[in-house]
Amino acid sequence: NAGVTQTPKFQVLKTGQSMTLQCAQDMNHNSMYWYRQDPGMGLRLIYYSASEGTTDKGEVPNGYNVSRLNKREFSLRLESAAPSQTSVYFCASVRQGSKTQYFGPGTRLLVL
Amino acid sequence: GESVGLHLPTLSVQEGDNSIINCAYSNSASDYFIWYKQESGKGPQFIIDIRSNMDKRQGQRVTVLLNKTVKHLSLQIAATQPGDSAVYFCAENISSGSARQLTFGSGTQLTVLP
Repeated sequence: NAGVTQTPKFQVLKTGQSMTLQCAQDMNHNSMYWYRQDPGMGLRLIYYSASEGTTDKGEVPNGYNVSRLNKREFSLRLESAAPSQTSVYFCASVRQGSKTQYFGPGTRLLVL
Repeated sequence: GESVGLHLPTLSVQEGDNSIINCAYSNSASDYFIWYKQESGKGPQFIIDIRSNMDKRQGQRVTVLLNKTVKHLSLQIAATQPGDSAVYFCAENISSGSARQLTFGSGTQLTVLP
């Protein structure tokens, strides 16, 4: 099992550009999550998907959209990137009935 | 120690000593807690968890203690090794919404000295 994978590993954008961060898990987990992590801070939830076909806002959803493409994949889209979105983005997933989230390696995003 | 929203604290210990990392949580209704380890440039890695109906749980070289009276959680690492150097996060479970959500603390940087 590869676990949770994320692409790209690193990205530089100009203000106003758009991009999609990809996340996939091969553990047959039901729930998936997107977080951002800023220096000296814990993880903050952007969006989550309890199951295929559903998505909900987390603590900091503004400026982002998500798509739960199928059970394996959960993508995060920035339509018009802003410097405030410079961060490290982590995807996580959880098996049904469990509370333990398993994380991907992260995507480091720099918006100039 | 660590508390949600505060600047990242640091802890330095000698190799071979025991480490204690503290966390104060805010929600008295939280029913589940997790400790994660995050090495530089990597995603958080699950270490150990504990349910609110327990006050102690042991793993391999790690022990988590939960004091619900004062809303305090601690992670004890026995015989700390250089590979234990990382940022450690506690997280509490929020049972609202359609899926389990975790609220993370800001983390504690553990440095193991030779």
